[in-house]
Order: sequence, then structure tokens, then C-alpha cells
Amino acid sequence: AQTVTQSQPEMSVQEAETVTLSCTYDTSESNYYLFWYKQPPSRQMILVIRQEAYKQQNATENRFSVNFQKAAKSFSLKISDSQLGDTAMYFCAFLNSGGSNYKLTFGKGTLLTVNP
Amino acid sequence: ETGVTQTPRHLVMGMTNKKSLKCEQHLGHNAMYWYKQSAKKPLELMFVYSLEERVENNSVPSRFSPECPNSSHLFLHLHTLQPEDSALYLCASSQVSGVGEKLFFGSGTQLSVL
Repeated sequence: AQTVTQSQPEMSVQEAETVTLSCTYDTSESNYYLFWYKQPPSRQMILVIRQEAYKQQNATENRFSVNFQKAAKSFSLKISDSQLGDTAMYFCAFLNSGGSNYKLTFGKGTLLTVNP
Repeated sequence: ETGVTQTPRHLVMGMTNKKSLKCEQHLGHNAMYWYKQSAKKPLELMFVYSLEERVENNSVPSRFSPECPNSSHLFLHLHTLQPEDSALYLCASSQVSGVGEKLFFGSGTQLSVL
């Protein structure tokens, strides 16, 4: 079974600075998908970024980018120019290729606080 | 209007009560999910419906009973719950096609069992 580990329960960053959230996973599969979801105080989880394991290029979405190290099974999220609205729980998730979304495995989350 | 709507937003119930959680998606998706979110634990998948058929039931106690009358609606019927069932219950939907589609979540129902 796959596992997803987020080793930082909480982090904080000053507004406009850069922060990196860590995620490692364990799998014997060679093809899969990785996600970062954000859950703000409104509680509605929103997809931040998605990475396909067979793509070597790191995914980017505006201020959000990932550092995907397949051999190390690491998938960190970098947030540049942090904004107050980035304050949220961030969840890393893993999905096997070929499986339906119900095989999505989540980590325990990292609570990020952006300070003014 | 958000894509996935959950009601009620908060629910307090006694251990002998019967209540239902409701989820509605307006995205035309073909799969719907119930997740349980407890503090300091990973999200736990409870049930999955794909094309209105239950395709996943992750060893959830029978005091939780799902219902999916059509592709847009999903219910979670609750009866004789325990205090440890207190949690945030999240509904999600997706268009399943086998290429790692994202989930769309509702804002959840915060359930407290007294």
C-alpha cells in the first residue's frame, strides 16, 4: 500500500517570502500522479498543483511550483511571494496511474500560516 | 454557486439520533465520494459511487449508510453514532477517466456526536 508522509505539521512564513512544504511517499509503482491540495479556513479543499510521474519537468502554477524527485520519492511544494490568502492546510496526495480517483492517498497535512 | 454543495454545514447529534448529510454536485461528474477528516489524521475515504453504483466501501461501520439516487446527489445517513465519529465529513466529485483527474470538494459538514 502507498503511504504519504508530510513531516512538517506546521510552518509559518512572512508575507512576500518563499516557503517550501515537504512530502515524501512510498510506492513500488513506476507511473502515478501526485497532487497538492489546499484547505483554507472555509474548509473547501482546492487543487493547487498536479504532477504526472512520467514527466520529468516540474509542474508550476503561477506562484506555486514543485520539486519532484522521483528516485528519492519526494514531492515538495514551493510557494513564492507568499500571500495572506495562502494561509491554509496543505495536503500532499498520491494516485496510482490507471486507477480511479478513489485510490487517492493523502498525507496528514501541513498547516501554513502567512504572517503580515 | 459552488460546484459541490454540502448541507448542513454543522450538525450536533446525540448517540441515538438519526440524521442525514447531503451533497449535491453541479459539475456533471460521474463519481462522488465521502471522506472523513479527523484532526491530525490523513483523510479517510469512506465510500465511492461511480455511475451511481457503489464501487468502494472502506470497511466503514454500518452506522454509516450511503445513498446515491442519481449522479448529482449523494447522502450519508447516520444512526446510533459514537463520539469518535465526530469529524469533518467531506463530499467530493470527479469525472473519472483514468488519467488522474482532480477531485472537487464541498465545504464539509462538521459533525459533533454527544
